[in-house]
Amino acid sequence: GQQVMQIPQYQHVQEGEDFTTYCNSSTTLSNIQWYKQRPGGHPVFLIQLVKSGEVKKQKRLTFQFGEAKKNSSLHITATQTTDVGTYFCAGTNQGGKLIFGQGTELSVKP
Amino acid sequence: DAGITQSPRHKVTETGTPVTLRCHQTENHRYMYWYRQDPGHGLRLIHYSYGVKDTDKGEVSDGYSVSRSKTEDFLLTLESATSSQTSVYFCAISEQGNTEAFFGQGTRLTVV
Repeated sequence: GQQVMQIPQYQHVQEGEDFTTYCNSSTTLSNIQWYKQRPGGHPVFLIQLVKSGEVKKQKRLTFQFGEAKKNSSLHITATQTTDVGTYFCAGTNQGGKLIFGQGTELSVKP
Repeated sequence: DAGITQSPRHKVTETGTPVTLRCHQTENHRYMYWYRQDPGHGLRLIHYSYGVKDTDKGEVSDGYSVSRSKTEDFLLTLESATSSQTSVYFCAISEQGNTEAFFGQGTRLTVV
């Protein structure tokens, strides 16, 4: 079945450093979505990528979707303490099944 | 936030008892999902629904059943709760199968 792997599981950075999390799927995805979950909260949608090779930016966040539509990455430039949380990628297939990666927990030291 | 409500928010139950969690939406979204969240495992899909009375299994469906008799409600039932089902359960909704998902606040279930 469809599997989505995400690395690393944890990332500790100093405020101002960059951060990247990577997502890989065992199958070709219809699209990839990214979510953020603050400690004690619920996942909140950040963005969706649909096209092969697509790159989207949201302020300091850059999202990429691989050419083969099987991998994706989220890069945060110059992290801030407000970036703390767990970042999840999620892939959908044509059947509408939404499968999440294990998430990357980001901690930022001031 | 999207109109999605989970109940109860917290529950403690004994091993072997049946438990039903409810997800209610006011958005008329077609897709509804149940996930469990455990440390080190992220969000794992239990079951999902793509319409009234249309459901399918996810990654970790053993020990769980679901029902969707109307658009707004998606019920998750643990027929006989086990300690391994202690977890935080999240419901999510999506207008189509490939659009953004909105999550409920979660239900913390403890099986003792």
